[in-house]
Amino acid sequence: DMKVTQMPRYLIKRMGENVLLECGQDMSHETMYWYRQDPGLGLQLIYISYDVDSNSEGDIPKGYRVSRKKREHFSLILDSAKTNQTSVYFCASSPRRDRGTGQLYFGEGSKLTVL
Amino acid sequence: GDSVTQTEGLVTLTEGLPVMLNCTYQSTYSPFLFWYVQHLNEAPKLLLKSFTDNKRPEHQGFHATLHKSSSSFHLQKSSAQLSDSALYYCALTLPQGTGSKLSFGKGAKLTVSP
Repeated sequence: DMKVTQMPRYLIKRMGENVLLECGQDMSHETMYWYRQDPGLGLQLIYISYDVDSNSEGDIPKGYRVSRKKREHFSLILDSAKTNQTSVYFCASSPRRDRGTGQLYFGEGSKLTVL
Repeated sequence: GDSVTQTEGLVTLTEGLPVMLNCTYQSTYSPFLFWYVQHLNEAPKLLLKSFTDNKRPEHQGFHATLHKSSSSFHLQKSSAQLSDSALYYCALTLPQGTGSKLSFGKGAKLTVSP
């Protein structure tokens, strides 16, 4: 069953705490993404990963880092979270690299609140 | 850089009326254009994508035509349904070989009322 799974789905942290958002996919997709979604701003790309240990910054990488040690897992890390990082974070995967197909499979989202 | 512009943030319609959501783009290359739909508390899903051969993609009654002359890919439906209430994103990606990054617009929230 083609699925992108995000954990946790809901998270509340205090400013300055570290945050780990995890994403898994069972489709052996090479490319994975982290987006954040904010009202009025849409979906903004944080990082893109083309395969294991092959990560590139997206449009808003500041304050975030990622890790991809296995093709099926992609983690988003916030070291010392800030209140303006309160958002809904979406992980996605796509089946081809550099093919421009546009077919992304999204997870259900992780809602992060930083107090 | 390559970008997508959606001008309507909020759209409210009565059931049965036509839907049109605007999308224009800027790109150095000839990009692929897409529409994604996100229902409340769900993940975004691909709704439509542009073709290179002037075909008009259709899905669930929605259609969109890529007009290179005006750099547009507007989403249309002849008659709105209550179930069409959702957030709609226009997105762009560059052709093969230039990376698989998908850039989204700011989205348009469509609310269809009885």
